[in-house]
Amino acid sequence: DAGVIQSPRHEVTEMGQEVTLRCKLISGHNSLFWYRQTMMRGLELLIYFNNNVPIDDSGMPEDRFSAKMPNASFSTLKIQPSEPRDSAVYFCASSPNRGLGSGNQPQHFGDGTRLSIL
Amino acid sequence: GENVEQHPSTLSVQEGDSAVIKCTYSDSASNYFPWYKQELGKRPQLIIDIRSNVGEKKDQRIAVTLNKTAKHFSLHITETQPEDSAVYFCAVFSLAGNMLTFGGGTRLMVKP
Repeated sequence: DAGVIQSPRHEVTEMGQEVTLRCKLISGHNSLFWYRQTMMRGLELLIYFNNNVPIDDSGMPEDRFSAKMPNASFSTLKIQPSEPRDSAVYFCASSPNRGLGSGNQPQHFGDGTRLSIL
Repeated sequence: GENVEQHPSTLSVQEGDSAVIKCTYSDSASNYFPWYKQELGKRPQLIIDIRSNVGEKKDQRIAVTLNKTAKHFSLHITETQPEDSAVYFCAVFSLAGNMLTFGGGTRLMVKP
């Protein structure tokens, strides 16, 4: 079975440019998480969706960051305009169920996008 | 919100020795505790998890123990091998926050 698929794997761009990261969930999963990983701050949850609906976006650092789930299997994370401090590895993860109190299922991570903003 | 602390931040052991990593959490309502292994340049991968109705779970050379009263859980790796070298993350699912909170990670180095 295909796991979580992220693209691109690497992105290098100049500050001020728009960056779009993409994620395809595992078939049958209905919860989607975006994480950012840096040496200084570790693994941070940015936002998560359940059944295409954003549930908690309190981790999104600024208005420059936005995330969408246009359908049940796909999500985008957009940074506009990008800044050097946005440089990090961005992971997407999915799990089969995240309804409140419905049980806690393992999250499966994609291979990440290594983003470098010059 | 949930506060997860992980210790030690780095751990170096000789091949064949055991390694233990401990995490503490703050929310007594937390009920799911996974452990992830992340090799350099790779994605975090789930290696074992435990739920609050169980005190211990084992899978070959790895085991996790949970002490709900003390609010801590530990990862035990026996007979360590060089390929166990990686960063290990604990995580805690809190019903209050309805999300996973990750520990800061432990860099394990197994010396041949």
